[in-house]
Amino acid sequence: AQKITQTQPGMFVQEKEAVTLDCTYDTSDPSYGLFWYKQPSSGEMIFLIYQGSYDQQNATEGRYSLNFQKARKSANLVISASQLGDSAMYFCAMREGYTGGFKTIFGAGTRLFVKA
Amino acid sequence: EAQVTQNPRYLITVTGKKLTVTCSQNMNHEYMSWYRQDPGLGLRQIYYSMNVEVTDKGDVPEGYKVSRKEKRNFPLILESPSPNQTSLYFCASSITGGPSTEAFFGQGTRLTVV
Repeated sequence: AQKITQTQPGMFVQEKEAVTLDCTYDTSDPSYGLFWYKQPSSGEMIFLIYQGSYDQQNATEGRYSLNFQKARKSANLVISASQLGDSAMYFCAMREGYTGGFKTIFGAGTRLFVKA
Repeated sequence: EAQVTQNPRYLITVTGKKLTVTCSQNMNHEYMSWYRQDPGLGLRQIYYSMNVEVTDKGDVPEGYKVSRKEKRNFPLILESPSPNQTSLYFCASSITGGPSTEAFFGQGTRLTVV
């Protein structure tokens, strides 16, 4: 069954350091997309980065990069040079293709705390 | 401004009183969906729609109804709300239902059923 697992309920990182948020997934659909979203304390959902199942290279968007290891079914988010404004809840999500009925599933989330 | 608009933002209601949460997007997106967010569970998809008149169940559809009569609107209906439907609800839209399109989210609706 489709599944997204985020094993870190909470994490602390020192300002200006890098941090990796873990995400593993399970699907039998050969075509899928992986997404990371940020949810600040204000509650809105903000799209950060996308990785497609057929992409050969890891996605990057500014300070965000996605460490995609297809064989291990992991899609970890790396935030470089953490800032205080990065303190938020982070969700990993997967959208399946035709085989999976185009459903979208989310992980339980990781709450990141950035310390000054 | 491109956006997904949900109304109301906050709602307190009583058990059994039918309610509708509206969702509208102005981006001509084909794919729309509803999620509920509960602590420790992340977001769970309730229903989604690939296009007008095409809807399908997500992982937690029980107790909810949806309709997609127009491309821009995707209302969520709770015919007989119960306390276990107290949650934070999000509507989202994507250009298509394909696996490469990110979702644009509404601001959320915090529903309390007493």
